[in-house]
Amino acid sequence: QQQVKQSPQSLIVQKGGISIINCAYENTAFDYFPWYQQFPGKGPALLIAIRPDVSEKKEGRFTISFNKSAKQFSLHIMDSQPGDSATYFCAASMWGTDKLIFGTGTRLQVFP
Amino acid sequence: EPEVTQTPSHQVTQMGQEVILRCVPISNHLYFYWYRQILGQKVEFLVSFYNNEISEKSEIFDDQFSVERPDGSNFTLKIRSTKLEDSAMYFCASRPRLGRVETQYFGPGTRLLVL
Repeated sequence: QQQVKQSPQSLIVQKGGISIINCAYENTAFDYFPWYQQFPGKGPALLIAIRPDVSEKKEGRFTISFNKSAKQFSLHIMDSQPGDSATYFCAASMWGTDKLIFGTGTRLQVFP
Repeated sequence: EPEVTQTPSHQVTQMGQEVILRCVPISNHLYFYWYRQILGQKVEFLVSFYNNEISEKSEIFDDQFSVERPDGSNFTLKIRSTKLEDSAMYFCASRPRLGRVETQYFGPGTRLLVL
């Protein structure tokens, strides 16, 4: 119930392509869904986040799509660049708790 | 830009030894966290700390673990008697008073290896 499942584990994309990472959850009490980006040797950094009352949120080349009925959400990276190569984590939180529940991570490699 | 810092970056210890991992949160932040990531696995919440006391802890955070804010700048995680399965990357995080829990700022981590 507290899990967030993430796929794929790794992803290779050509420069300029679209990277898509998917996450699914079971607990309907989750009410906020952030995505974190982690570069080697660094801690996770908040990238973009969405609430379940919104179906899509876009910030620059990064878009979250949210499907409340399916309990799924995904990160789309448009026009992927080599600088986007990193590990991406989806996460979930619920009101009243003080913790993030992370997915297992996706290692993205963007080749020129 | 202010950052969360952690020391040491790497630590190797023998099973049964005590270790202290140190963190300096961002200066005006009031909520502090420890997470860990076993190699190849997901990031897991350990504990949150506010107003000099634990506000929430996970099942992982048993009696072998403790946290402390010994002064106005440091936040520490102590493992009293390390086990092989404690080998992981440990992340400290902090957030300001305002803002949702997900606005946590993470440090670069301490890689702990227990032999």
